[in-house]
This record gives sequence, structure tokens and C-alpha cells, in this order.
Amino acid sequence: GQNIDQPTEMTATEGAIVQINCTYQTSGFNGLFWYQQHAGEAPTFLSYNVLDGLEEKGRFSSFLSRSKGYSYLLLKELQMKDSASYLCAVSSRNQAGTALIFGKGTTLSVSS
Amino acid sequence: GAVVSQHPSWVICKSGTSVKIECRSLDFQATTMFWYRQFPKQSLMLMATSNEGSKATYEQGVEKDKFLINHASLTLSTLTVTSAHPEDSSFYICSARFGLTPLLGQFFGPGTRLTVL
Repeated sequence: GQNIDQPTEMTATEGAIVQINCTYQTSGFNGLFWYQQHAGEAPTFLSYNVLDGLEEKGRFSSFLSRSKGYSYLLLKELQMKDSASYLCAVSSRNQAGTALIFGKGTTLSVSS
Repeated sequence: GAVVSQHPSWVICKSGTSVKIECRSLDFQATTMFWYRQFPKQSLMLMATSNEGSKATYEQGVEKDKFLINHASLTLSTLTVTSAHPEDSSFYICSARFGLTPLLGQFFGPGTRLTVL
């Protein structure tokens, strides 16, 4: 089976750094993705990791350790607009090919 | 990034009626489209994977006779919720990609909020 775990909620203040962890168990791993989703809207792509290590993209960075089944999303210089749900998704092979399977999401609240 | 549209953006219907939701990839040909369902404060649950020209592959627990998926062209997939009931009320999101994996980009539509009375 597949299992993706991430914290339900996190809070932080403007200008701070926050790390959102994600652990996963899956067969046919093909990559790990992070999406941002504001309430009532579609998810928007933030980053992906296929190989171990850190991928940096502006204020956002994502890390992957395939041996540990672990990833994190690091958000720096937090802004109020970063308040959203952050979804960890694993690309894994299924009967139809490969599909993105999502964790339950972490709701991040940024306060001033 | 690429654009995926959904229509309608919201719909309210009576119990027992059928509702069709369209998903279009506007500027690329989507070899694969996905349908997800999201209940309030929960994550996206994959319902089915649809490859153009072939039957959709449904996830375990999703009734294929209730959620009819048609992927007739490389830019259009439809989801029909047949005989909708209040428990089908949810946010339905489609996703489209070109290629065999999401690594070339997988894009999401804006979602359709279905409310069944």
C-alpha cells in the first residue's frame, strides 16, 4: 500500500523560516512533489525531487532522502500570502502508469 | 505553465440527477488526465486515471458505474456523476499531463464544486 504522512497544521510568523516534513511509504517511487493550495483553489506546483538532496527555488527549497522515505519543504522569509495548505505528493506507478498520490496536506498559518 | 480549465466551476443539483464536468487542456495535448476528489479540509483523493482513447482506470473504492469518465480527445476529458446524492458533494479537480510521468509537468484545473441537495 501507500502511506504519506505530514503534520496537519503549523503556525509561524512573518519573516521566519518553516520546515514542513513528509514521510512516505510507496511502491514504484518515481519522484516527490510539493504543491501549494489556497482554499477553494487548485494546487499549484512548487517543486519536485527525484534524486536525493536539496533543490532550491527562490524562497522555497525541498529535500529528499529516498532511503529514509523522507522529504521536507523549507519556506524562508515567510510572508502572509504563504498561508495555505502544502501538499506532499508522491509519484508512483499504478495500473494505469504513474500517478500523483497526495498526503493530507499541512495547513500553514503565517501571522504578523 | 500550461493551462487546464474546468467547467462548470460550481454546480448545484437535486439528488438523483446526473452532472457532467468538463476538463480541457488549453495549450497542450494531454496524454493522461486524472480526476481527484477533495472533501473539506482533506487532501486530494485520486479517483481515476484516464489515458486518451482507452478506458479509465479507477482507484479502489471508486464506483466506475457512478463516476463515468470519457477521454475522447487529447484535450478533453469529462466526468459524469450519475444519480448524484448528497454524499457526492465535493470539490472535483482534474489534472492533465503530457507524457508518462509528472516530471514533464502535471497541471491542475481550478476545480468544480458540486453540491447535491
